[in-house]
Amino acid sequence: QVQLVQSGSELKKPGASVKVSCKASGYSFTSYAINWVRQAPGQGFEWMGWINTNTGNPTYAQGFTGRFVFSLDTSVNTAYLQVSSLKAEDTAVYFCAKEVVAAGGKNLQLWGQGTLVTVSS
Amino acid sequence: DIQMTQSTSSLSASVGDRVTITCRASQSINIWLNWYQQKPGKAPELLIYAASSLQSGVPSRFSGSGSGTEFTLTISNLQPEDFATYYCQQSYNIPRTFGHGTRVEIK
Repeated sequence: QVQLVQSGSELKKPGASVKVSCKASGYSFTSYAINWVRQAPGQGFEWMGWINTNTGNPTYAQGFTGRFVFSLDTSVNTAYLQVSSLKAEDTAVYFCAKEVVAAGGKNLQLWGQGTLVTVSS
Repeated sequence: DIQMTQSTSSLSASVGDRVTITCRASQSINIWLNWYQQKPGKAPELLIYAASSLQSGVPSRFSGSGSGTEFTLTISNLQPEDFATYYCQQSYNIPRTFGHGTRVEIK
């Protein structure tokens, strides 16, 4: 079964760090990029960037540089998002998504279930 | 960055209705436009890619059209399970950007 399974909800204090995992199964992990997308409570989507699962090279959107790190462990088909120096405004659901090329373009074909990160003192 | 505008934030419709949702890009994006459906507390699901291609497994009552800067998602014969929020997303360039969503509610 093709799926992305993310780690569970996190409650963190401001200034702490969090690491979210995204485990892929049912397909060749290194053949498709992983994108990260954030959704603040009641809001739309912010695209955070993507990581090339073949080379490990990450690309970050503006606004997601410095405190945000994408990484991989290809031995367990897992992508990670680490956020450091957490702020209240980082409270959101974080999604990973498998990016595919179809009809000449790219789309986010498969999404993880999302991980709620709550930052509160 | 390319701005994606869904001018209708919510609409009310009845089962069996035909619903059209529009999305406008701030510059031409050719056909590189995707549509997603999101239900409360769930992850988004891909419905339409490259403006008009139906994702495998998605019912044929969903269709997409458009190119350049103007796009539409049409749901014919609206079903109870279609009450959700719909988002457009451009894949023309980076950063990928999304519309703010159109919520389809039960009338």
